[in-house]
Amino acid sequence: DVKVTQSSRYLVKRTGEKVFLECVQDMDHENMFWYRQDPGLGLRLIYFSYDVKMKEKGDIPEGYSVSREKKERFSLILESASTNQTSMYLCASSLLTTEQYFGPGTRLTVT
Amino acid sequence: AQSVSQHNHHVILSEAASLELGCNYSYGGTVNLFWYVQYPGQHLQLLLKYFSGDPLVKGIKGFEAEFIKSKFSFNLRKPSVQWSDTAEYFCAVNENRDDKIIFGKGTRLHILP
Repeated sequence: DVKVTQSSRYLVKRTGEKVFLECVQDMDHENMFWYRQDPGLGLRLIYFSYDVKMKEKGDIPEGYSVSREKKERFSLILESASTNQTSMYLCASSLLTTEQYFGPGTRLTVT
Repeated sequence: AQSVSQHNHHVILSEAASLELGCNYSYGGTVNLFWYVQYPGQHLQLLLKYFSGDPLVKGIKGFEAEFIKSKFSFNLRKPSVQWSDTAEYFCAVNENRDDKIIFGKGTRLHILP
């Protein structure tokens, strides 16, 4: 079974803090993704990575950056957290163009 | 740009009722199609997928979906729902040879016991 894990289920941060969300997959997948999920808006792609050190912007990259130094790990960074970044963050991985496997999500609250 | 439309944002049914959730997409080329489900408090998981072949696809827990290319549709069906089907359902599509998947906004399904 594919396993995608995320470092925290719940996180509370203050406005202006730098926030790191970590994601690890154990199936040697090339692709990894970061989404945010908001009620009524579905899943919106923030960034994705198709290989180590390679990344591509998604639909809503502003205010976020990513890092992929190892194949199994994909980090999402909020450079200076703001209240409008309060959301559920989902990480996913996939093998080339196949279905994506999701982690449990991190519910981030920025106060 | 690619888009995926789910017709219903919120559906309420009684147990044993039949279910059909609509999904339409905008891309005219070869596509892969997915339905994902998110049960309360759980992570998003794949319900079923269509890549090629028989346009009627069967998934887990008695769900099925039919790909109708001429209508750009991939509707999800279940003949008799159960209370445990209460969840949010997402339709998704990717163009063949594209790594990214476009998700619909989701349909919240609430089954009354």
